[in-house]
Parts: sequence; structure tokens; C-alpha cells
Amino acid sequence: GAVVSQHPSWVICKSGTSVKIECRSLDFQATTMFWYRQFPKQSLMLMATSNEGSKATYEQGVEKDKFLINHASLTLSTLTVTSAHPEDSSFYICSARGLAGTAGETQYFGPGTRLLVL
Amino acid sequence: QKEVEQDPGPLSVPEGAIVSLNCTYSNSAFQYFMWYRQYSRKGPELLMYTYSSGNKEDGRFTAQVDKSSKYISLFIRDSQPSDSATYLCAMIRGRDDKIIFGKGTRLHILP
Repeated sequence: GAVVSQHPSWVICKSGTSVKIECRSLDFQATTMFWYRQFPKQSLMLMATSNEGSKATYEQGVEKDKFLINHASLTLSTLTVTSAHPEDSSFYICSARGLAGTAGETQYFGPGTRLLVL
Repeated sequence: QKEVEQDPGPLSVPEGAIVSLNCTYSNSAFQYFMWYRQYSRKGPELLMYTYSSGNKEDGRFTAQVDKSSKYISLFIRDSQPSDSATYLCAMIRGRDDKIIFGKGTRLHILP
């Protein structure tokens, strides 16, 4: 099956610093990539949707200036958490959707990045 | 009322038992239904994908959709300790719509 990778798998940072998370589709081209956040024992909450070469669309309540998303190519998207604070500590999961098929069939998830802000 | 409701569990069953996981939803516009398995500290993995009402079987897994009752189920036969994970139901309205997830049910298969 299609593979989506994320880097780093975990990161610990000090409050006020910025953290960048990379998401790559390894063996397919993804016109659309998604970023989710998952708190312990909670579901995946969609943060934003990005299409290659255009600005990301953020879900209600997600600060676009705090969570910067760049989708520079069909295989790479990055999420930068700017001026991170302890409440940003969470599990961040990216997802990439292939070119054909329905969302349910062709949207693949990365392994997640655990962020801990001290 | 949330769009998708799922009992978080945990659900503990002995090895070899049949497991039944369920979700209800409120929006009749949902047409595509999925079940994902998520191991601890990992991303979700698609297990089953169905369109509209009916049953779909894949090995030990059977997905069932009842659109009239707005109720979906996942059955796991001959459960194994390796099935211990969180199972998320999910659904979408249209082909390119965003996925709406349930909270997930934590399942423990006891050896």
C-alpha cells in the first residue's frame, strides 16, 4: 500500500520555540495533504487541508498564523508550530490523498509526530 | 449532538471471541464509511471501506452499514491479542469530502 512518512517521530522543545514537522508521500503523488491533531483518548481533529502550490484551508478555531503549512510539492508538506506553548503538546498526524478514487479509499495516514512543549 | 458517536471503551474480551464495535451518526448525507485501526502512538491504518448500506467481509473482519438506522458496525472473528488497538469509525459525505472520525474504541484482547 501507499506509504506516508513523517519526520521527526517525536520532538521535545522549550516554550516559545518553533517546530517544523515534515510529511512525505513516498510512493505516490498527493495533490491534497491534511494535518490532524489528536489529544490523548480523543479522536483525530482536522486542522487544515492543503493543496500543492496553494494556501492551506484551516478549520474553524485553528490559528493559521500559529500553524504554518507549506505544500511545496506533490510529495511534501510541512507544518510549523510557531512559538509553541505547552498546550500545543499533542500528537500531530499528516495524511495524503492520491490522485484518483474517493477520499476514503485513497487517503493514507502518516505514523504521527509526538510534540512535547516544556 | 455530535456527528459521529462511538463508545470509547475500553472493551476487553478473551482471545478467540467475536468482537463487535459500533458507531452511530446523525447526518444522513454520509455515504462512505470506514474503519481504521490505530496502535498506540501510531497513525491510523485503513481496515475496511464501504459504500452505502450492506455488509463487506475481509478475512476475519466484517463491516456492516445500516443507513436507515444510521448505525455501522465492525465485527472481528477469532480475535487475537494483536488485534488490541483503538478502532476508529469514520465517514464522509461525498467523494472528496473531509473525513469525520469517531472518538475510537480501545479494544483489549486478553490472552
